[in-house]
Amino acid sequence: DTGVSQDPRHKITKRGQNVTFRCDPISEHNRLYWYRQTLGQGPEFLTYFQNEAQLEKSRLLSDRFSAERPKGSFSTLEIQRTEQGDSAMYLCASSFPAGDLYGYTFGSGTRLTVV
Amino acid sequence: LAKTTQPISMDSYEGQEVNITCSHNNIATNDYITWYQQFPSQGPRFIIQGYKTKVTNEVASLFIPADRKSSTLSLPRVSLSDTAVYYCLVGDEGTGRRALTFGSGTRLQVQP
Repeated sequence: DTGVSQDPRHKITKRGQNVTFRCDPISEHNRLYWYRQTLGQGPEFLTYFQNEAQLEKSRLLSDRFSAERPKGSFSTLEIQRTEQGDSAMYLCASSFPAGDLYGYTFGSGTRLTVV
Repeated sequence: LAKTTQPISMDSYEGQEVNITCSHNNIATNDYITWYQQFPSQGPRFIIQGYKTKVTNEVASLFIPADRKSSTLSLPRVSLSDTAVYYCLVGDEGTGRRALTFGSGTRLQVQP
């Protein structure tokens, strides 16, 4: 296992199009997180899963955003009807169950540019 | 959620020790203090975590006073490759009731 993988690394899309990103966490981790980061800012929390259950969603996650983790392994984040304000780095992270204190392991992110 | 305050930026030279202090006046009893490092175009990387007193690993040391209202990340003898953004986070990882919240971080620039 080589860590958290995100695909694609870069995505350029036209405004109004739908995009989907994939995250493959570390296999032993049952928690998976999505964050969004814009230039010069820290990552902003979007949502997280424990196994296949989506336990928390940020107010940032508008109805155009949906995340799934159907089998408790990989996850997808879909953005419908993209807007220029959606341009950002989308980061995925995974961690051990609650009680483990070794932090989150982040992927390298998917950079989305909406033109 | 406990809010954290840390300097926006710091400058240092190679070989110096760098101390970055984070304030978290509203830290809760169950909260741990965690530091992450982030290079451009990469996700943040876990550096160190602690609850009280001092924690040391191969990368850094974390000093936490008895009142836990602040913490200091210490990087010994920095090199150019330590140029990055450093985030201080306070969270309830002991029970994992919520995800961690990042602030804007401290941008460390190491000069030759």
